[in-house]
Amino acid sequence: TQLLEQSPQFLSIQEGENLTVYCNSSSVFSSLQWYRQEPGEGPVLLVTVVTGGEVKKLKRLTFQFGDARKDSSLHITAAQPGDTGLYLCAGAVSGGSNYKLTFGKGTLLTVNP
Amino acid sequence: DAGVTQSPTHLIKTRGQQVTLRCSPKSGHDTVSWYQQALGQGPQFIFQYYEEEERQRGNFPDRFSGHQFPNYSSELNVNALLLGDSALYLCASSLEGTETSTDTQYFGPGTRLTVL
Repeated sequence: TQLLEQSPQFLSIQEGENLTVYCNSSSVFSSLQWYRQEPGEGPVLLVTVVTGGEVKKLKRLTFQFGDARKDSSLHITAAQPGDTGLYLCAGAVSGGSNYKLTFGKGTLLTVNP
Repeated sequence: DAGVTQSPTHLIKTRGQQVTLRCSPKSGHDTVSWYQQALGQGPQFIFQYYEEEERQRGNFPDRFSGHQFPNYSSELNVNALLLGDSALYLCASSLEGTETSTDTQYFGPGTRLTVL
Protein backbone atom coordinates (compact mmCIF):
# COMPACT_ATOMS: atom_id res chain seq x y z
CA THR A 1 0.00 0.00 0.00
CA GLN A 2 1.42 3.36 -1.04
CA LEU A 3 1.09 6.13 1.53
CA LEU A 4 1.96 9.80 1.30
CA GLU A 5 2.59 11.70 4.51
CA GLN A 6 2.29 15.46 4.40
CA SER A 7 3.65 17.83 6.98
CA PRO A 8 2.79 20.03 8.61
CA GLN A 9 -0.93 19.29 8.69
CA PHE A 10 -1.77 22.91 9.57
CA LEU A 11 0.23 26.09 9.01
CA SER A 12 -0.75 29.64 9.90
CA ILE A 13 1.65 32.41 8.93
CA GLN A 14 1.77 36.16 8.33
CA GLU A 15 1.83 37.72 4.90
CA GLY A 16 5.38 37.99 3.58
CA GLU A 17 6.76 34.94 5.38
CA ASN A 18 8.30 31.95 3.63
CA LEU A 19 7.17 28.37 4.17
CA THR A 20 7.90 24.82 3.11
CA VAL A 21 5.47 21.90 2.94
CA TYR A 22 6.72 18.33 2.78
CA CYS A 23 5.37 15.18 1.17
CA ASN A 24 7.08 11.90 2.07
CA SER A 25 6.64 8.25 1.25
CA SER A 26 8.46 4.95 1.52
CA SER A 27 7.27 4.15 -2.01
CA VAL A 28 8.76 5.23 -5.32
CA PHE A 29 6.47 7.19 -7.61
CA SER A 30 6.82 7.73 -11.34
CA SER A 31 5.47 11.24 -10.92
CA LEU A 32 4.09 13.48 -8.25
CA GLN A 33 1.49 16.22 -8.51
CA TRP A 34 0.78 19.18 -6.28
CA TYR A 35 -2.73 20.56 -6.08
CA ARG A 36 -4.33 23.49 -4.26
CA GLN A 37 -7.92 23.15 -3.08
CA GLU A 38 -10.25 25.81 -1.74
CA PRO A 39 -13.25 24.98 0.47
CA GLY A 40 -16.08 23.29 -1.44
CA GLU A 41 -14.13 23.14 -4.68
CA GLY A 42 -12.10 20.55 -6.53
CA PRO A 43 -8.30 20.41 -6.41
CA VAL A 44 -6.54 22.61 -8.97
CA LEU A 45 -3.36 21.21 -10.47
CA LEU A 46 -0.27 23.33 -9.75
CA VAL A 47 2.55 21.18 -11.10
CA THR A 48 3.64 17.67 -12.09
CA VAL A 49 7.20 16.54 -11.40
CA VAL A 50 8.51 13.38 -13.02
CA THR A 51 12.33 13.29 -12.82
CA GLY A 52 14.26 12.60 -9.61
CA GLY A 53 15.88 15.82 -8.40
CA GLU A 54 13.65 17.94 -10.63
CA VAL A 55 12.91 21.51 -9.55
CA LYS A 56 10.04 23.51 -11.00
CA LYS A 57 9.14 27.11 -10.29
CA LEU A 58 5.74 28.69 -10.60
CA LYS A 59 6.08 32.38 -9.70
CA ARG A 60 6.67 32.36 -5.91
CA LEU A 61 6.20 28.59 -5.62
CA THR A 62 9.13 26.17 -5.96
CA PHE A 63 8.52 22.43 -6.22
CA GLN A 64 11.19 19.77 -5.83
CA PHE A 65 11.05 16.03 -6.45
CA GLY A 66 13.45 13.96 -4.37
CA ASP A 67 16.34 12.18 -6.05
CA ALA A 68 14.84 8.80 -5.18
CA ARG A 69 11.34 9.93 -6.25
CA LYS A 70 9.92 9.13 -2.82
CA ASP A 71 9.43 12.66 -1.55
CA SER A 72 8.70 16.20 -2.63
CA SER A 73 8.58 19.69 -1.19
CA LEU A 74 6.73 22.88 -1.94
CA HIS A 75 8.33 26.16 -0.94
CA ILE A 76 6.40 29.44 -1.04
CA THR A 77 8.30 32.70 -0.92
CA ALA A 78 6.70 35.85 0.48
CA ALA A 79 3.33 34.23 1.08
CA GLN A 80 0.19 36.23 0.31
CA PRO A 81 -3.39 35.83 1.61
CA GLY A 82 -4.35 34.50 -1.82
CA ASP A 83 -2.10 31.49 -1.17
CA THR A 84 -4.49 30.32 1.55
CA GLY A 85 -5.87 26.86 0.86
CA LEU A 86 -5.37 23.12 1.22
CA TYR A 87 -2.22 21.91 -0.51
CA LEU A 88 -2.35 18.28 -1.60
CA CYS A 89 0.39 16.10 -2.99
CA ALA A 90 -0.52 13.05 -5.06
CA GLY A 91 1.69 10.29 -6.39
CA ALA A 92 1.26 8.08 -9.41
CA VAL A 93 2.90 4.81 -10.40
CA SER A 94 2.83 4.38 -14.16
CA GLY A 95 2.81 1.09 -15.92
CA GLY A 96 1.12 -2.20 -15.24
CA SER A 97 -2.48 -1.85 -14.16
CA ASN A 98 -2.04 0.97 -11.67
CA TYR A 99 -3.62 4.22 -12.79
CA LYS A 100 -4.74 5.83 -9.57
CA LEU A 101 -3.40 8.86 -7.75
CA THR A 102 -2.54 8.35 -4.09
CA PHE A 103 -3.12 11.52 -2.10
CA GLY A 104 -1.73 12.79 1.14
CA LYS A 105 -4.10 14.29 3.70
CA GLY A 106 -3.01 17.77 2.80
CA THR A 107 -1.54 20.84 4.47
CA LEU A 108 -4.04 23.54 5.36
CA LEU A 109 -2.29 26.88 4.90
CA THR A 110 -3.65 30.15 6.24
CA VAL A 111 -1.85 33.36 5.33
CA ASN A 112 -2.95 36.25 7.52
CA PRO A 113 -2.80 39.82 6.15
CA ASP B 1 -11.47 25.05 -23.50
CA ALA B 2 -14.09 23.40 -21.29
CA GLY B 3 -12.79 21.99 -18.05
CA VAL B 4 -14.20 19.06 -16.09
CA THR B 5 -17.84 19.60 -15.15
CA GLN B 6 -19.90 17.74 -12.57
CA SER B 7 -23.56 17.68 -11.65
CA PRO B 8 -25.30 18.24 -9.38
CA THR B 9 -23.22 20.52 -7.17
CA HIS B 10 -25.05 19.52 -4.01
CA LEU B 11 -27.30 16.61 -3.12
CA ILE B 12 -29.13 15.54 0.02
CA LYS B 13 -30.31 11.95 0.38
CA THR B 14 -31.51 9.69 3.18
CA ARG B 15 -30.04 6.39 4.26
CA GLY B 16 -30.90 3.50 1.97
CA GLN B 17 -31.52 5.66 -1.08
CA GLN B 18 -29.59 5.51 -4.33
CA VAL B 19 -27.75 8.38 -6.02
CA THR B 20 -26.26 9.07 -9.47
CA LEU B 21 -23.55 11.66 -10.00
CA ARG B 22 -22.44 12.85 -13.43
CA CYS B 23 -19.17 14.02 -14.93
CA SER B 24 -18.07 15.43 -18.27
CA PRO B 25 -14.31 15.28 -18.82
CA LYS B 26 -12.08 18.07 -20.00
CA SER B 27 -12.23 18.59 -23.75
CA GLY B 28 -9.97 16.07 -25.49
CA HIS B 29 -9.69 13.74 -22.49
CA ASP B 30 -10.81 10.12 -22.66
CA THR B 31 -10.24 8.76 -19.14
CA VAL B 32 -12.33 9.47 -16.07
CA SER B 33 -11.50 8.71 -12.45
CA TRP B 34 -13.73 9.13 -9.42
CA TYR B 35 -12.55 10.03 -5.92
CA GLN B 36 -14.26 10.41 -2.56
CA GLN B 37 -13.04 13.15 -0.23
CA ALA B 38 -14.26 13.07 3.34
CA LEU B 39 -13.99 16.21 5.43
CA GLY B 40 -10.40 16.90 6.44
CA GLN B 41 -8.98 14.12 4.29
CA GLY B 42 -7.30 13.80 0.93
CA PRO B 43 -9.25 12.29 -1.96
CA GLN B 44 -9.54 8.50 -2.02
CA PHE B 45 -9.59 6.66 -5.36
CA ILE B 46 -12.87 4.89 -6.15
CA PHE B 47 -12.33 3.70 -9.73
CA GLN B 48 -11.22 4.70 -13.22
CA TYR B 49 -12.95 4.27 -16.56
CA TYR B 50 -11.28 4.04 -19.93
CA GLU B 51 -12.84 2.86 -23.19
CA GLU B 52 -16.16 2.46 -21.39
CA GLU B 53 -14.74 -0.11 -18.98
CA GLU B 54 -13.67 0.00 -15.35
CA ARG B 55 -9.95 -0.70 -15.42
CA GLN B 56 -8.97 -0.13 -11.81
CA ARG B 57 -10.88 -0.02 -8.57
CA GLY B 58 -9.98 1.23 -5.11
CA ASN B 59 -11.13 -0.19 -1.77
CA PHE B 60 -14.80 0.61 -2.12
CA PRO B 61 -17.72 -1.84 -1.81
CA ASP B 62 -19.84 -3.00 -4.71
CA ARG B 63 -22.46 -0.43 -3.73
CA PHE B 64 -20.29 1.96 -5.72
CA SER B 65 -20.60 1.42 -9.45
CA GLY B 66 -20.04 3.47 -12.53
CA HIS B 67 -20.35 3.81 -16.23
CA GLN B 68 -18.58 5.58 -19.06
CA PHE B 69 -20.40 6.59 -22.21
CA PRO B 70 -19.08 6.72 -25.79
CA ASN B 71 -18.64 10.49 -25.48
CA TYR B 72 -16.30 9.81 -22.48
CA SER B 73 -18.69 11.26 -19.90
CA SER B 74 -19.23 9.17 -16.81
CA GLU B 75 -21.64 8.41 -14.00
CA LEU B 76 -21.03 7.28 -10.44
CA ASN B 77 -23.84 5.34 -8.78
CA VAL B 78 -24.07 4.61 -5.08
CA ASN B 79 -26.74 2.23 -3.78
CA ALA B 80 -28.05 1.71 -0.26
CA LEU B 81 -26.55 4.96 0.99
CA LEU B 82 -24.97 5.05 4.45
CA LEU B 83 -24.30 8.07 6.64
CA GLY B 84 -20.59 7.49 6.03
CA ASP B 85 -21.05 8.07 2.31
CA SER B 86 -21.42 11.79 3.01
CA ALA B 87 -18.47 13.40 1.24
CA LEU B 88 -17.30 15.49 -1.69
CA TYR B 89 -17.23 13.29 -4.80
CA LEU B 90 -14.64 14.38 -7.30
CA CYS B 91 -14.31 13.47 -10.93
CA ALA B 92 -10.94 13.76 -12.64
CA SER B 93 -10.11 13.42 -16.31
CA SER B 94 -6.93 12.64 -18.18
CA LEU B 95 -5.74 11.64 -21.63
CA GLU B 96 -4.44 8.18 -22.28
CA GLY B 97 -1.56 7.73 -24.62
CA THR B 98 1.40 9.83 -23.49
CA GLU B 99 4.08 8.86 -21.02
CA THR B 100 2.73 10.77 -18.05
CA SER B 101 -0.73 11.59 -19.33
CA THR B 102 -2.62 9.31 -17.03
CA ASP B 103 -0.65 10.59 -14.08
CA THR B 104 -1.79 14.16 -14.61
CA GLN B 105 -5.45 14.35 -13.73
CA TYR B 106 -7.64 17.45 -13.84
CA PHE B 107 -10.42 17.68 -11.31
CA GLY B 108 -13.94 19.00 -11.48
CA PRO B 109 -15.55 21.11 -8.74
CA GLY B 110 -17.12 18.06 -7.12
CA THR B 111 -20.56 17.05 -5.91
CA ARG B 112 -21.24 17.50 -2.20
CA LEU B 113 -23.36 14.53 -1.06
CA THR B 114 -25.03 14.64 2.33
CA VAL B 115 -26.73 11.51 3.63
CA LEU B 116 -29.20 12.03 6.47
